[in-house]
Amino acid sequence: SAVISQKPSRDICQRGTSLTIQCQVDSQVTMMFWYRQQPGQSLTLIATANQGSEATYESGFVIDKFPISRPNLTFSTLTVSNMSPEDSSIYLCSAGYWYEQYFGPGTRLTVT
Amino acid sequence: QQQVKQSPQSLIVQKGGISIINCAYENTAFDYFPWYQQFPGKGPALLIAIRPDVSEKKEGRFTISFNKSAKQFSLHIMDSQPGDSATYFCAASPSISSGSARQLTFGSGTQLTVLP
Repeated sequence: SAVISQKPSRDICQRGTSLTIQCQVDSQVTMMFWYRQQPGQSLTLIATANQGSEATYESGFVIDKFPISRPNLTFSTLTVSNMSPEDSSIYLCSAGYWYEQYFGPGTRLTVT
Repeated sequence: QQQVKQSPQSLIVQKGGISIINCAYENTAFDYFPWYQQFPGKGPALLIAIRPDVSEKKEGRFTISFNKSAKQFSLHIMDSQPGDSATYFCAASPSISSGSARQLTFGSGTQLTVLP
């Protein structure tokens, strides 16, 4: 299995600012994923981050709003840019080997 | 095409009872079907998973039943305990050909409450 940590665990941010969320995996993985989970809702994939290439974004998510970095095989960041209250959510990163995929504890973001 | 439909939305079971959660999918490219358990304030935790080459997989009190022709799979929790109270998500992933993980498509979730 993989152990995944995220920073920060939660934050309260003002409208119009940006927040960068860090995701660290305890071993090397090729693919990392970023999901968003609205309170009480399911998980929605934002993008797939492959080391050494540009992230692949799902429909409804754009790079200007959610830029992603993947500098090495154990680390990734997701930035939520120019935030609005609609961006208030839980942001989760995940990674895995073959089929098994593991999740970090999430970053709870509140935008005021 | 990419949806995974999950039911029921919520489930209340007495301690010792059987909890059953169902999922259905359309995309025949899905090749891996995990279930995740999520407690409030935590990330989803991989509970049990199945691939289409078997019809059932059991791990302790948790069993996945898989019906490939009907494109349905379900989670059974035997002897349900209050500590099982959580939100359960089914998911599906397309097949992979290398060591890289693939993106998961999640069901809408089932909030399970096990009464003491």
